[in-house]
Amino acid sequence: GAVVSQHPSRVICKSGTSVKIECRSLDFQATTMFWYRQFPKQSLMLMATSNEGSKATYEQGVEKDKFLINHASLTLSTLTVTSAHPEDSSFYICSASLRGQVYEQYFGPGTRLTVT
Amino acid sequence: GQQVMQIPQYQHVQEGEDFTTYCNSSTTLSNIQWYKQRPGGHPVFLIQLVKSGEVKKQKRLTFQFGEAKKNSSLHITATQTTDVGTYFCAGGTSYGKLTFGQGTILTVHP
Repeated sequence: GAVVSQHPSRVICKSGTSVKIECRSLDFQATTMFWYRQFPKQSLMLMATSNEGSKATYEQGVEKDKFLINHASLTLSTLTVTSAHPEDSSFYICSASLRGQVYEQYFGPGTRLTVT
Repeated sequence: GQQVMQIPQYQHVQEGEDFTTYCNSSTTLSNIQWYKQRPGGHPVFLIQLVKSGEVKKQKRLTFQFGEAKKNSSLHITATQTTDVGTYFCAGGTSYGKLTFGQGTILTVHP
């Protein structure tokens, strides 16, 4: 159980365009979803915390107008990278937890974004 | 803000040797979690420690949480080639947010 999917797994887009990444919890309701960014051979950096039905909480230094997060239901959160630039190229991973407190996070398989 | 430091960054061992990675937090943690990420894959949850001084074992893996709930370690006994990957500790807050350490990349030579 506790499977999280992400779509797409890979995406290549041109500079200036927007890209939407979906994160779904397949067999459980996720009250909280998290979005991370990971550069090659580096750690996961939390970008934002998303609670169903409310605005996302962004980490310091993350532009909320550039990385739009929508958590419309208990099983779906989306991250939209707006006006993408080459420096936005990265591995984006979402995770979901059953509750927001003291529970493990279940990670999606990640989305490799390349901006040309 | 909260910082979680993890060492070493890299560890190369011969198959059969032991391996340990250490994690230190700048603040007291609500809990600490450990994840494993295989090359090209995503982090997979291994375990969570909540209590001060807690020790948990999973077969050849031993996890410890310090008395002050600011440090933790993961020890693997007699490593196998299937143990390769990056091991991350992640410090948890009371509201579910995780701060990941830098990770330790483990290479096991057969």
